[in-house]
Amino acid sequence: EIVLTQSPGTLSLSPGERATLSCRASQSVSSSYLAWYQQKPGQAPRLLIYGASTRATGIPDRFSGGGSGTDFTLTISRLEPEDFEVYYCQQYGSSPFTFGPGTKVDIK
Amino acid sequence: EVQLVESGGGLVQPGGSLRLSCAASGFTFSSYWMHWVRQAPGKGLVWVSRINGAGSTTNYADSVKGRFTISRDNAKNTLFLQMNSLRAEDTAVYYCSNPTSGFWGQGTLVTVSS
Repeated sequence: EIVLTQSPGTLSLSPGERATLSCRASQSVSSSYLAWYQQKPGQAPRLLIYGASTRATGIPDRFSGGGSGTDFTLTISRLEPEDFEVYYCQQYGSSPFTFGPGTKVDIK
Repeated sequence: EVQLVESGGGLVQPGGSLRLSCAASGFTFSSYWMHWVRQAPGKGLVWVSRINGAGSTTNYADSVKGRFTISRDNAKNTLFLQMNSLRAEDTAVYYCSNPTSGFWGQGTLVTVSS
């Protein structure tokens, strides 16, 4: 089983700042099958990025994904008020398709 | 518009069974792998199971293997999760999804408690 570790657990930033979230895998994620989701309280997750770096439909270009192998990042170039939520990474290259524990981005 | 609507959640005693359903519309259901993902109250997302479009291939998380069974009825555009031998740690909101296509239902709450 591939274990995903996300860091930091909480990221405290101000609107307009840049956020860099990390997702590290215990073994290589095949074909960069790595996705990022945003979740608001009481709602289903929202797909942001798939294939490590491809933005999903309708996702603003301030969100970008990168990385390969075991190290991946989600970058939010300039935080908007609606971006202060929880973010999860997921690998879907090999079963079980594990999620990371999440990073909460909150307002400083 | 893609819609996934889960039903069948509720309160069940430890050791009991429950069958979740997910009605799909707005896309060619039979062409997609479908997944169940769960989230315990205040906790993170946990992948549970998936099934291919034809219903012939399934995968499960170790924590549910042998207790849960995923299936589908493509004629009715419906996904199922049969949950047996339920435990307190199965308490969660269960989401029907194709995560990497961005298809998610609103979730149905399963509570396992005496």
